[in-house]
Amino acid sequence: EVQLLESGGGLVQPGGSLRLSCEGSGFTFGRYPMNWVRQAPGKGLEWVARMRNDGDETYFLDSVKGRFHISRDNSRNTVFLHMNGLRSDDTAIYYCAKEPLVGQILDSWGQGTLVTVSS
Amino acid sequence: DVQMTQSPSTLSASVGDRVTITCRASHTFSVGLAWYQQKPGKAPNLLVSKTPSLQSGAPSRFSTSASGREFSLTISNLQPDDSGTYYCQLYNAFSFGPGTKVEI
Repeated sequence: EVQLLESGGGLVQPGGSLRLSCEGSGFTFGRYPMNWVRQAPGKGLEWVARMRNDGDETYFLDSVKGRFHISRDNSRNTVFLHMNGLRSDDTAIYYCAKEPLVGQILDSWGQGTLVTVSS
Repeated sequence: DVQMTQSPSTLSASVGDRVTITCRASHTFSVGLAWYQQKPGKAPNLLVSKTPSLQSGAPSRFSTSASGREFSLTISNLQPDDSGTYYCQLYNAFSFGPGTKVEI
């Protein structure tokens, strides 16, 4: 069974940094692209970042470019989201999600970790 | 970037009803559309991996169709467990529709 477990969320002041982690199990982690999707309170889904399985291709939401960075350690079955220069509008639940081998859709999701940016 | 619209934004119906959610793309460069179901306080769940194919385990009362830039998700014989918010997502486009909340 595929499982994704996020960690690292919390309360941070505006301008601060956080690193989210997502550990996968139940599948060959290094074969699959991995993603981060967020959901602000009461709002819809927003695709934040993507990294291909080899780390060679990435996508970032325009509003996080230059502030967020995605990385992965396939030896630890973990993908990271490094968030800098956090703003209040980054407050959201951040979900880690896995793609299938074909098609940029999200076939498995973690339970999410809450990031709150507030002074 | 592809923009997705969904209608209606909210849908209220009764058990046993047949309801349809529509998703429209501003333009298409992809041949697939996925649908996700999200229940309150839970992560989204992939319901349809590529129109018209239901994801394994999805009830057969869900069906999909596509015509040009318009895609539909129909729920027949609506059940209480179908309540939640439904999002569409065009293949290879890093965006979701705004969502349709289904209330039963």
